[in-house]
Amino acid sequence: IVMTQSPDSLAVSLGERATINCKSSQSLLYRSNNKDCLAWYQQKPGQPPRLLIYWASTREFGVPDRFNGSGSGTDFILTISNLQAEDAAVYYCQQYYGDETFGQGTKVEI
Amino acid sequence: QITLKESGPTLVKPTQTLTLTCTFSGFSLTSTGVGVGWIRQPPGKALEWLALIYWDDDKRYSPSLKSRLTITKDTSKNQVVLTMTNMDPVDTGTYYCAHRPNNYGDYFDYWGQGTLVTVSS
Repeated sequence: IVMTQSPDSLAVSLGERATINCKSSQSLLYRSNNKDCLAWYQQKPGQPPRLLIYWASTREFGVPDRFNGSGSGTDFILTISNLQAEDAAVYYCQQYYGDETFGQGTKVEI
Repeated sequence: QITLKESGPTLVKPTQTLTLTCTFSGFSLTSTGVGVGWIRQPPGKALEWLALIYWDDDKRYSPSLKSRLTITKDTSKNQVVLTMTNMDPVDTGTYYCAHRPNNYGDYFDYWGQGTLVTVSS
């Protein structure tokens, strides 16, 4: 399964909204629980990835509620509202419907 | 508190075999549903999943690298070992191990800091 993110990079002003798209080459809907097998990670320079969202829209414990995941099937969105300086990072989507694959990453700059 | 730490050589020669160890704490790899995976990242590039081992010793590998990879676990030592044969300069990158939670999905909620492996003669 190929994961394609867009855009590759974007610059957003403090307090504004960032929208990152992730498209899969096939549906990620897991029929056993009717959930989509899609996770989002944040990675800052020199650090490992940090899990933000799983099952496409479930926020990981401790993740600020300005991070929201949405979408289903093959099209997914990560929205960062009220962008903060510490949100500057590269964001990756990952599917786990089949053999795990990641998107190419989207760099968010302030 | 779940922690993972990768260890292994920082430099390997082409054609050699790489052996990496993930030592973890805060969970047991005998608990139903739990797993440990390996993911790598070439410098400045995207993440690439390599392998995953489950609590029941089931194993999965990246199809493109399956012939070169072996993942094993030692539950008494809380360790997972990844071996990759026939190393090439394109295998240079940071190698991470990560915890798969018991939630039916193969995503990763805790990651080690990673270890940089350089392949060069």
